[in-house]
Amino acid sequence: AQKITQTQPGMFVQEKEAVTLDCTYDTSDQSYGLFWYKQPSSGEMIFLIYQGSYDEQNATEGRYSLNFQKARKSANLVISASQLGDSAMYFCAMREGKNRGSTLGRLYFGRGTQLTVWP
Amino acid sequence: DADVTQTPRNRITKTGKRIMLECSQTKGHDRMYWYRQDPGLGLRLIYYSFDVKDINKGEISDGYSVSRQAQAKFSLSLESAIPNQTALYFCATSDRTGSYEQYFGPGTRLTVT
Repeated sequence: AQKITQTQPGMFVQEKEAVTLDCTYDTSDQSYGLFWYKQPSSGEMIFLIYQGSYDEQNATEGRYSLNFQKARKSANLVISASQLGDSAMYFCAMREGKNRGSTLGRLYFGRGTQLTVWP
Repeated sequence: DADVTQTPRNRITKTGKRIMLECSQTKGHDRMYWYRQDPGLGLRLIYYSFDVKDINKGEISDGYSVSRQAQAKFSLSLESAIPNQTALYFCATSDRTGSYEQYFGPGTRLTVT
């Protein structure tokens, strides 16, 4: 079974509007971390935001926020006030917990969502 | 200068050739990783290393080998390249504390003809 599921291969949003990119995860660990990365057409991986499983508040970084719903195992990325430069591939990833010995630190990635922002 | 560098950035090679991709980092991290990215599949882990003497296979290690020459250097080798190893390869590093955020190199685009 996939540990990270991104069900939206592509999303479109108009400039200045908000958009939500979906991510669900699967783990039996109590301690884990969730990440979102952006990959523009140039190819590099850019870290956007992190949420720890014990964090009580949703993470925010500028226009990015992570809507963390632990019981539903979802970690959706919300981009407010979209800009043309937000057009990119977005990946959700998970790091599993501290009781996993040598696998601690590796990330499991979803298949990504291609976001297109139009003027 | 970039914290995580990869060489080469682009490479075209022929089936059956041996090729090495190199990764260097100046972040002082113990942990290093090699991923490959294929369209529609996200990033998949090939190998990872938690220190010079600790190397582990990821989910798709067949056809690949690695060498951790020093804390700062982690190389990926394709012993006998085949066309389905055509992909974008990323090296990444992470610290052993906090969020364990991974820092990625710029990627190496490899084409096997």
